[in-house]
Amino acid sequence: QKEVEQDPGPLSVPEGAIVSLNCTYSNSAFQYFMWYRQYSRKGPELLMYTYSSGNKEDGRFTAQVDKSSKYISLFIRDSQPSDSATYLCAMNFRNSGYSTLTFGKGTMLLVSP
Amino acid sequence: IAGITQAPTSQILAAGRRMTLRCTQDMRHNAMYWYRQDLGLGLRLIHYSNTAGTTGKGEVPDGYSVSRANTDDFPLTLASAVPSQTSVYFCASSEQGFTGANVLTFGAGSRLTVL
Repeated sequence: QKEVEQDPGPLSVPEGAIVSLNCTYSNSAFQYFMWYRQYSRKGPELLMYTYSSGNKEDGRFTAQVDKSSKYISLFIRDSQPSDSATYLCAMNFRNSGYSTLTFGKGTMLLVSP
Repeated sequence: IAGITQAPTSQILAAGRRMTLRCTQDMRHNAMYWYRQDLGLGLRLIHYSNTAGTTGKGEVPDGYSVSRANTDDFPLTLASAVPSQTSVYFCASSEQGFTGANVLTFGAGSRLTVL
């Protein structure tokens, strides 16, 4: 079992829809949870990150972490065609010393006008 | 604009040839990384460097080598390219500390085809 699971999609929605993107993970030590957005033929860019459980909102984007279920979500309200991209979740933990990120494989989102 | 510069953007290479992908950052981040991204496999870490002068192996290091002579540069070398190394390669950097999230900044990628 991979440490981080993410449905590859594609997820197709009409403009204005609410989008829910999700990841599950197996390592309960993960503390920091990130969402990256990657446009076609570009590098990933950080959207937002959260620490431990709870919600974090940034404009139309809300990140949610449920550590008890080992489940994280990214919600996009009023989705736009410009939101069409691949969304990757990533996470890391600290146990003294340096750490590397563990990435999900990404979910492709297509928002049609 | 601060960020990461990768070169070349795209390259077609004959099998058996040596190739170096270049990566330079101007953010003075202490840590740098090389990932490859393949359809269905996601991002996989090849090598990393937490500080200048040190390197470490990631998930898929075989066939690749790196060096970190200074803070800004982190080249990735394929000593003898094979077709399975056809991929998109991303360099990334972060201000890696002992606490907090490890937030990576990525370059635009180098698309490599080995024939």
